[in-house]
Amino acid sequence: KNQVEQSPQSLIILEGKNCTLQCNYTVSPFSNLRWYKQDTGRGPVSLTIMTFSENTKSNGRYTATLDADTKQSSLHITASQLSDSASYICVVSFVSGTYKYIFGTGTRLKVLA
Amino acid sequence: DGGITQSPKYLFRKEGQNVTLSCEQNLNHDAMYWYRQDPGQGLRLIYYSQIVNDFQKGDIAEGYSVSREKKESFPLTVTSAQKNPTAFYLCASARRDQPQHFGDGTRLSIL
Repeated sequence: KNQVEQSPQSLIILEGKNCTLQCNYTVSPFSNLRWYKQDTGRGPVSLTIMTFSENTKSNGRYTATLDADTKQSSLHITASQLSDSASYICVVSFVSGTYKYIFGTGTRLKVLA
Repeated sequence: DGGITQSPKYLFRKEGQNVTLSCEQNLNHDAMYWYRQDPGQGLRLIYYSQIVNDFQKGDIAEGYSVSREKKESFPLTVTSAQKNPTAFYLCASARRDQPQHFGDGTRLSIL
């Protein structure tokens, strides 16, 4: 069964600290993996997208890594800011007839001053 | 500015009533999607459309209906057959193999 699991479910850190969010998937055949940031009451916004051959992708203070062999990805946030408080969603895409997306349940991050 | 516009932001449904959620995009994307988001769960696909005048059921299509008469528009109707409609509904569009662009959602509640 195609699944995407994220951990932890929720995380609280102090402003200025770093954190790492995890995403494990069992989707096959793999096409690409994306990380989205979703603010409360808003739609998700894409942070990074990685294909099978990419190991790392950065977007400012956000760095995503991908290990296609172990089917794991991580999102590292450096020097966290209060505005980083949001849910972070891992999405894996695959092709089965048509193009499909499998969403993780997200990690809810709270950054405290 | 290009983007996806969902309306209304908040919607209330009376028992036995059908309601329609609007989704419009000016990104010239062929594919459009409707998702339902419940607390603690991942986004679940309701319907999607790859081209005009064609759409496919997603994982939780029962109680919902859509139309795709124009490339820019993909309205979702929540019918009275949907017994638990309270949720956050998200519309998205995409080019193949590119990140989906999402609207800001419609929150539907039952009166």
